[in-house]
Amino acid sequence: DGGITQSPKYLFRKEGQNVTLSCEQNLNHDAMYWYRQDPGQGLRLIYYSQIVNDFQKGDIAEGYSVSREKKESFPLTVTSAQKNPTAFYLCASAGSQETQYFGPGTRLLVL
Amino acid sequence: DQQVKQNSPSLSVQEGRISILNCDYTNSMFDYFLWYKKYPAEGPTFLISISSIKDKNEDGRFTVFLNKSAKHLSLHIVPSQPGDSAVYFCAASASESSGDKLTFGTGTRLAVRP
Repeated sequence: DGGITQSPKYLFRKEGQNVTLSCEQNLNHDAMYWYRQDPGQGLRLIYYSQIVNDFQKGDIAEGYSVSREKKESFPLTVTSAQKNPTAFYLCASAGSQETQYFGPGTRLLVL
Repeated sequence: DQQVKQNSPSLSVQEGRISILNCDYTNSMFDYFLWYKKYPAEGPTFLISISSIKDKNEDGRFTVFLNKSAKHLSLHIVPSQPGDSAVYFCAASASESSGDKLTFGTGTRLAVRP
């Protein structure tokens, strides 16, 4: 059945380490998005991609990187340059309409 | 600069009564609005949306009202059920200037008392 999957559900990062969060969708959606949620705050856009091999920075892209080599996949790397990485990360995708559908999220914790 | 605002961080309603969640926006370019429901440690679930050419959209127990002149929208849930207890996010997009990017409010936590 169609949907958006994110893995892992929990991820631990050591100081100075890069970690990659996976996002896969089988909805045949062109657009994919990464958001970050912190306690008491709304969702803030990190990066988005409207088509394969193209992506744009969102509002808080510093310390993150992405790639979009396949339509189905939009991995997010949290680099060591991101000084406050602890958050709940959400991936979303959208088709021809503007409604975005979200995955279950990945919680990143720093050791 | 918070372009989408949900000024009530929490709301408590008796089961069976109406829940009204409010959202204000400042960007006059926004032309599409959505409501999402979110449980802890889960991704948001799309509830209902409205285009700026309409002032009301209804789907079962959920109705969204849009007042463009006041830059205000609201989500009505009637009757409210305990399973509606969650955080509700309002979101908006300006399709011509920003593609499908959504700007989210900070959310309102709804508690429906049995």
